[in-house]
Amino acid sequence: GESVGLHLPTLSVQEGDNSIINCAYSNSASDYFIWYKQESGKGPQFIIDIRSNMDKRQGQRVTVLLNKTVKHLSLQIAATQPGDSAVYFCAENGSNYKLTFGKGTLLTVNP
Amino acid sequence: GAVVSQHPSWVICKSGTSVKIECRSLDFQATTMFWYRQFPKQSLMLMATSNEGSKATYEQGVEKDKFLINHASLTLSTLTVTSAHPEDSSFYICSARGGWLPADTQYFGPGTRLTVL
Repeated sequence: GESVGLHLPTLSVQEGDNSIINCAYSNSASDYFIWYKQESGKGPQFIIDIRSNMDKRQGQRVTVLLNKTVKHLSLQIAATQPGDSAVYFCAENGSNYKLTFGKGTLLTVNP
Repeated sequence: GAVVSQHPSWVICKSGTSVKIECRSLDFQATTMFWYRQFPKQSLMLMATSNEGSKATYEQGVEKDKFLINHASLTLSTLTVTSAHPEDSSFYICSARGGWLPADTQYFGPGTRLTVL
């Protein structure tokens, strides 16, 4: 069946370093992907999205890369800050706008 | 951006009682609302899709008679957990799409923490 997964469940970085969070997806027909940030006890917050006709998209301090050949998605956070500490989920937009979420990566930023 | 609210933010109830959770889109008309459940240290799992004015569509394995969903208006959907049991304790999150938002964009509510004693 369709699935979206993550390579690393946890990531610990030093403040100021760059962070890279990875995600693998299995449905080659997927054409829209989203990264969400979820802080403890809160709902997911949209970070950045990318469509399958692109391989890179940049936002403020964040970049999403899409490699359709190997069905891999990554989120890069530049100059990681303590406020970036959260769980990050990739999500795949399927039929009828249903989202399939990956397992999540806990990012911890050490001061 | 669009705002989605949920009420209550947390609720504690006794086993066997029913609990209603509200999801509201505050600044757009939500054609579709989605309900998710999230257990500790796990991902979000879609429970059901709710379209205004029609019956909800439930994901496989989700009991429709236990999790009653009503989407009576373009700004409100409710999830009622009937005869709640401790295993229903979870974080329930809604999302909404529609109105002036891009078609495939969803905004999420802040979640409702349900604890069943």
